[in-house]
Amino acid sequence: SAVISQKPSRDICQRGTSLTIQCQVDSQVTMMFWYRQQPGQSLTLIATANQGSEATYESGFVIDKFPISRPNLTFSTLTVSNMSPEDSSIYLCSVEDWEKETQYFGPGTRLLVL
Amino acid sequence: DQQVKQNSPSLSVQEGRISILNCDYTNSMFDYFLWYKKYPAEGPTFLISISSIKDKNEDGRFTVFLNKSAKHLSLHIVPSQPGDSAVYFCAATLSGAGSYQLTFGKGTKLSVIP
Repeated sequence: SAVISQKPSRDICQRGTSLTIQCQVDSQVTMMFWYRQQPGQSLTLIATANQGSEATYESGFVIDKFPISRPNLTFSTLTVSNMSPEDSSIYLCSVEDWEKETQYFGPGTRLLVL
Repeated sequence: DQQVKQNSPSLSVQEGRISILNCDYTNSMFDYFLWYKKYPAEGPTFLISISSIKDKNEDGRFTVFLNKSAKHLSLHIVPSQPGDSAVYFCAATLSGAGSYQLTFGKGTKLSVIP
């Protein structure tokens, strides 16, 4: 299975600022996904990121708020822009494994916005 | 509107007994289902999956049952061990959609008591 790392693992930020979360995979993957898990809630897909093309956002998420980069097949970043306390969540990246028909997740970034 | 529901937020089971975690879904187009386990401060870990062409899939102590007519699936863990204590997420997807975009339930926290 793919090994996925995320940076930072956690952060405390002031409202109005932005935070960029990095996701690194140990193998080349076509699709990477970004999820958010708000307290007591399920994992919600923010966007799908393919290398070389713009990310595809789910309903309720927009590029201005969550810009995503995917410069190569092993790396992606998610920026949480102009943060408010409602953005306090765990942010997770994942990659797809077609052969095993599943997704593997990174350890998550725990974000608290004051 | 939650398309995947896990109505029990928590479950306590004695070590050695059976743990049964339940999941219901509303979208009849879902045809592939997965269970993930999540420990605190870690990302979800894939456990087991089932395709809609089956009604049962087994992997060691873990068995998933699917009842398509009832739009219900369950995860059985036998025998339960203290290390199984975690949050379990049910997820569903349309396997023909081109990627495994997952819709998650809110999770059930399992506590296995020694």
